[in-house]
Amino acid sequence: DTAVSQTPKYLVTQMGNDKSIKCEQNLGHDTMYWYKQDSKKFLKIMFSYNNKELIINETVPNRFSPKSPDKAHLNLHINSLELGDSAVYFCASSRIDNEQFFGPGTRLTVL
Amino acid sequence: AQSVTQPDIHITVSEGASLELRCNYSYGATPYLFWYVQSPGQGLQLLLKYFSGDTLVQGIKGFEAEFKRSQSSFNLRKPSVHWSDAAEYFCAVGGSGGGADGLTFGKGTHLIIQP
Repeated sequence: DTAVSQTPKYLVTQMGNDKSIKCEQNLGHDTMYWYKQDSKKFLKIMFSYNNKELIINETVPNRFSPKSPDKAHLNLHINSLELGDSAVYFCASSRIDNEQFFGPGTRLTVL
Repeated sequence: AQSVTQPDIHITVSEGASLELRCNYSYGATPYLFWYVQSPGQGLQLLLKYFSGDTLVQGIKGFEAEFKRSQSSFNLRKPSVHWSDAAEYFCAVGGSGGGADGLTFGKGTHLIIQP
């Protein structure tokens, strides 16, 4: 009964490829997020979705596109992967109080 | 713009000693404050949170934090650390506006426990 799950856990790919990361939450939360954690462990919000509508689109390249088919799922699609995209990507969901429930993370390595 | 400062990148503490991790925040409205812990290769686990009320909040694993509005601080403490506390600790701030803003994180403090 995992609360927030992500797949895959590890993703190794070549520059220029397109890849997707999937996220699902079974907590009934209305808001879901994508965060990026860089090699120095710095966590920064990328996107926020509330009831399937994009609320925040921080200054991320438009090669990154979040898609939410329903309020329990938020997927992240990345086009034309670059070396600098290598990071750990965390999905999260929250209640109205903003407490974030994080998934286990997806470690993306671009070669 | 909101921000969080964790001034200590690394802290080394002997097992059994007390611990205090510092966090200062900048936020334009009433802040919601959080401490998360991340063990190596793991996700983030909530230690404790402050929304309102009593400024001393208790969390899991024996941690507590004190909100001091006048100092814009939310320091994390533990009276006696265990080797299993070695991890990365993140302070974060967010608002209450429907919860859709997400959190702004500090850069983390890496805690090392000496035997």
